[in-house]
Amino acid sequence: EAGVAQSPRYKIIEKRQSVAFWCNPISGHATLYWYQQILGQGPKLLIQFQNNGVVDDSQLPKDRFSAERLKGVDSTLKIQPAKLEDSAVYLCASSLLTGVSEKLFFGSGTQLSVL
Amino acid sequence: AQTVTQSQPEMSVQEAETVTLSCTYDTSESNYYLFWYKQPPSRQMILVIRQEAYKQQNATENRFSVNFQKAAKSFSLKISDSQLGDTAMYFCAFKGQGAQKLVFGQGTRLTINP
Repeated sequence: EAGVAQSPRYKIIEKRQSVAFWCNPISGHATLYWYQQILGQGPKLLIQFQNNGVVDDSQLPKDRFSAERLKGVDSTLKIQPAKLEDSAVYLCASSLLTGVSEKLFFGSGTQLSVL
Repeated sequence: AQTVTQSQPEMSVQEAETVTLSCTYDTSESNYYLFWYKQPPSRQMILVIRQEAYKQQNATENRFSVNFQKAAKSFSLKISDSQLGDTAMYFCAFKGQGAQKLVFGQGTRLTINP
């Protein structure tokens, strides 16, 4: 089966610019996650969707970050305006359902550099 | 809130040796899962092994096994007969029945030398 697809793979922008990342989860997976992984740290959950509804966005900096999952399939994560501290790898993951035992499948991420 | 701690930022062993990566966690929940993920330079997180808190038997997947000490809240990963392809970042992660979000540790960079 096809895995989680993300694009672009790399992005370089200047501070105060805006940027968007795209994620296509595994077909049929109801739950989609966006994680932020700063260099040298473990991934941190930004937002979790169940179909097209938000389950958890408690750690999403809502003044500059936004995410949507139209039609419960693809998802887009946007940053506007970007700050230097937003430099990180943004990982998308999906799972069939939401549950404590559910296995997450990850994409290869988008590496963002803010100059 | 749950926390996951990996106290070894880097480890290095020779090929074919056995290596153990440490992980401790903090939670008040009784039902949860623990995971070890591998992240190679391709950046894609790959699930190595997982353990349900209610199961006393330690999980095993080929050369990978865990030592789960529930009372001590410890969850270490043992890699036997290490291979060059095992070189990667390894992350310990926790998922509880409550929040049900995957919480990661800081990672351990493992290098297998030829």
